[in-house]
Amino acid sequence: KAGVTQTPRYLIKTRGQQVTLSCSPISGHRSVSWYQQTPGQGLQFLFEYFSETQRNKGNFPGRFSGRQFSNSRSEMNVSTLELGDSALYLCASSPGRGRGTGELFFGEGSRLTVL
Amino acid sequence: GENVEQHPSTLSVQEGDSAVIKCTYSDSASNYFPWYKQELGKRPQLIIDIRSNVGEKKDQRIAVTLNKTAKHFSLHITETQPEDSAVYFCAASITRANTGNQFYFGTGTSLTVIP
Repeated sequence: KAGVTQTPRYLIKTRGQQVTLSCSPISGHRSVSWYQQTPGQGLQFLFEYFSETQRNKGNFPGRFSGRQFSNSRSEMNVSTLELGDSALYLCASSPGRGRGTGELFFGEGSRLTVL
Repeated sequence: GENVEQHPSTLSVQEGDSAVIKCTYSDSASNYFPWYKQELGKRPQLIIDIRSNVGEKKDQRIAVTLNKTAKHFSLHITETQPEDSAVYFCAASITRANTGNQFYFGTGTSLTVIP
């Protein structure tokens, strides 16, 4: 099975711009969640989608948004970028329902640098 | 919401010694506690997990213990090897059938095993 794929892997933006990141989950996984990873802050939960619906949401401002498509692929968007948005954005997929839904399978991340 | 604290933030041990990483959580409804290992430049990967109806779980050199009363859980690595060097994240999650899991991660422990 192919793993979780995130694109792009690296990107550089300037303040005020917007960015869209993409995540393709493991085939058959219906849950996709997004995390922001910064040094010293660990992994902070952004949101989770299941069957095209946002099921859970973390404590991030409205500039952070996401969506999920019918094939379970997900995108997240950050508008009006700030310097503090520089981070590694990790996507994780899981089956989403039933036993064994606990494990998260992470992608390699998209490293965003805001100048 | 849930708050997960992880200690220590850095840990250095001699090869062959044991390493212990501790986490506390605040929400008594949390019922699933995974540990992830992230090697430098790579994605986090699940190494062991424990559910709230179990007090201890072992997998070769790795073990996790859970004290529900005190709301803390620990990762134990015995006979450490250089390849154990990585950042380790604990997490707590409430698993619900209809809303899936929302994970709260600790801030990570950077483990260095000195040959």
